[in-house]
Amino acid sequence: AQSVSQHNHHVILSEAASLELGCNYSYGGTVNLFWYVQYPGQHLQLLLKYFSGDPLVKGIKGFEAEFIKSKFSFNLRKPSVQWSDTAEYFCAVNKGWGKLQFGAGTQVVVTP
Amino acid sequence: DVKVTQSSRYLVKRTGEKVFLECVQDMDHENMFWYRQDPGLGLRLIYFSYDVKMKEKGDIPEGYSVSREKKERFSLILESASTNQTSMYLCASGTDNSPLHFGNGTRLTVT
Repeated sequence: AQSVSQHNHHVILSEAASLELGCNYSYGGTVNLFWYVQYPGQHLQLLLKYFSGDPLVKGIKGFEAEFIKSKFSFNLRKPSVQWSDTAEYFCAVNKGWGKLQFGAGTQVVVTP
Repeated sequence: DVKVTQSSRYLVKRTGEKVFLECVQDMDHENMFWYRQDPGLGLRLIYFSYDVKMKEKGDIPEGYSVSREKKERFSLILESASTNQTSMYLCASGTDNSPLHFGNGTRLTVT
């Protein structure tokens, strides 16, 4: 069955530390990949997306992600986090018709 | 800017009640979706619709039904609410190759 795996369920780090969240998917065809973020009390927002082309994609708020086809991975990175990056992060794959399959999410807590 | 509006932010219902969750989008998107979000499970697709009066089951359709009589409106129906349907319900809209836009969610508690 197709799946999306996020490696960490909870991450705690200090401000200015670097962040990397892992995401692996199992799907053999052409994929569209997404990272969404949910800040406390807010709706899901798109951080970045990969459809084709340059495998290193840049999103909002200094986030970037790298698509590595051979590893079926789409890891999210930010060089220096801020307290305001405290949120839950979701990786997702487009299964067709715009349907997204989501990973279980990673709760990130940034301490001052 | 795309707006997806869910009619209620919080709902409390009793076991066995019929529950309607409403969602409206203002961007003329063909596709609309209902997900539920539970801690540790991420978002799971309940139903989706790619056109008026069309619906398809998602990954966890049991206990739910949907209605799409107009393009902008997609309703989720719990015919007989049960405690295991206590959850956050998220509506989304989009096109085939675009990111989804989500509503703020409805937190449903079934007692």
